[in-house]
Amino acid sequence: ETGVTQSPTHLIKTRGQQVTLRCSSQSGHNTVSWYQQALGQGPQFIFQYYREEENGRGNFPPRFSGLQFPNYSSELNVNALELDDSALYLCASSLGTSGVYNEQFFGPGTRLTVL
Amino acid sequence: ILNVEQSPQSLHVQEGDSTNFTCSFPSSNFYALHWYRWETAKSPEALFVMTLNGDEKKKGRISATLNTKEGYSYLYIKGSQPEDSATYLCAFIQAGTALIFGKGTTLSVSS
Repeated sequence: ETGVTQSPTHLIKTRGQQVTLRCSSQSGHNTVSWYQQALGQGPQFIFQYYREEENGRGNFPPRFSGLQFPNYSSELNVNALELDDSALYLCASSLGTSGVYNEQFFGPGTRLTVL
Repeated sequence: ILNVEQSPQSLHVQEGDSTNFTCSFPSSNFYALHWYRWETAKSPEALFVMTLNGDEKKKGRISATLNTKEGYSYLYIKGSQPEDSATYLCAFIQAGTALIFGKGTTLSVSS
């Protein structure tokens, strides 16, 4: 069984730049969710993709966008980076939408620092 | 604004002590509550998914209870071990929303 992986592990960018974070879902999972964890906070839901379509979005601006590919791997893109975007970004895969009855399988996260 | 509160924020116990944490959430339109354990430098790992009022779940020395009418869940650890040291997150789902996480309770167990 292959777990959820994320790349890169750490990333440093400057304000105004763009960044792409990648996630490889657990084998057989068709849903991926992305979360942002700022320092001292719990993870905050960014959006979810189910079978390559966005299936829900949290309170994040449009410069946060995503993609899910046919193999269920996923990307999170952030444009026009701001200092407040510095955080740990987690992806989680699951079977089915919303994760209501399904546990989420998390990756180890990507630590993004914006200078 | 939906809010999930966890208490205490952190605690330190001795090996062998039993401990418990609280997760409080809005009681209306409840769908499910998740508990996760997050060890340093690792990925969060699911402990329990609870959906029914009065649910009690157990995994080894860790157990959880759920009261959806009053909006709280307790996580219990019996006979804490150093390997239990982690941050414990709860996440709540209300109808039509995604997982809403609390800030977590960080447990440190010393031998």
